Amino acid sequence: GDSVTQMEGPVTLSEEAFLTINCTYTATGYPSLFWYVQYPGEGLQLLLKATKADDKGSNKGFEATYRKETTSFHLEKGSVQVSDSAVYFCALTPWGDSSYKLIFGSGTRLLVRP
Amino acid sequence: ETGVTQSPTHLIKTRGQQVTLRCSSQSGHNTVSWYQQALGQGPQFIFQYYREEENGRGNFPPRFSGLQFPNYSSELNVNALELDDSALYLCASVHRDTGELFFGEGSRLTVL
Repeated sequence: GDSVTQMEGPVTLSEEAFLTINCTYTATGYPSLFWYVQYPGEGLQLLLKATKADDKGSNKGFEATYRKETTSFHLEKGSVQVSDSAVYFCALTPWGDSSYKLIFGSGTRLLVRP
Repeated sequence: ETGVTQSPTHLIKTRGQQVTLRCSSQSGHNTVSWYQQALGQGPQFIFQYYREEENGRGNFPPRFSGLQFPNYSSELNVNALELDDSALYLCASVHRDTGELFFGEGSRLTVL
């Protein structure tokens, strides 16, 4: 079945450092891809998404590009802030699935130090 | 603020008991789904309801059941609790027009 694999955390960076969190997927067809963020004590929030190959999702300085050839959707940010400290989840919606089912990776915790 | 409210926020049960978790979403969110998030893991899809009918289910046994009500609220029921049911249970409602999912903060269940 479809699955998502994320790099293990925690990832610890200094403020203003460059961030990359790797995400690869296994799926048939053309799934939609998502990054969700979970701040401490809060629910999951959609960060960005891409619905077809070569699409770039972006929000709040974060970017990710849907790479069909490498089955990847890596999350990047040029300069992280302390407020970006959270757990980040990569997810997909299976291609052709009429439900809104999301398949999540195991999450990557990001800690940004001042 | 997602407009999705879950209750209770925390609860403790013993093995073999039954539990009901509740979710309230916004007007116009006529699809709701439930997820189980074990500690240190990503959420796993339990099932989805649309117009009060289950229309999608993940790999969970029948002792996990749900209800959706016309007032945009829903319930997750788990019977015969097992230790491995200890997790954060998340409710997500879907905006009818955009298809975006809005998650609640979850109900943390501990089974002793």
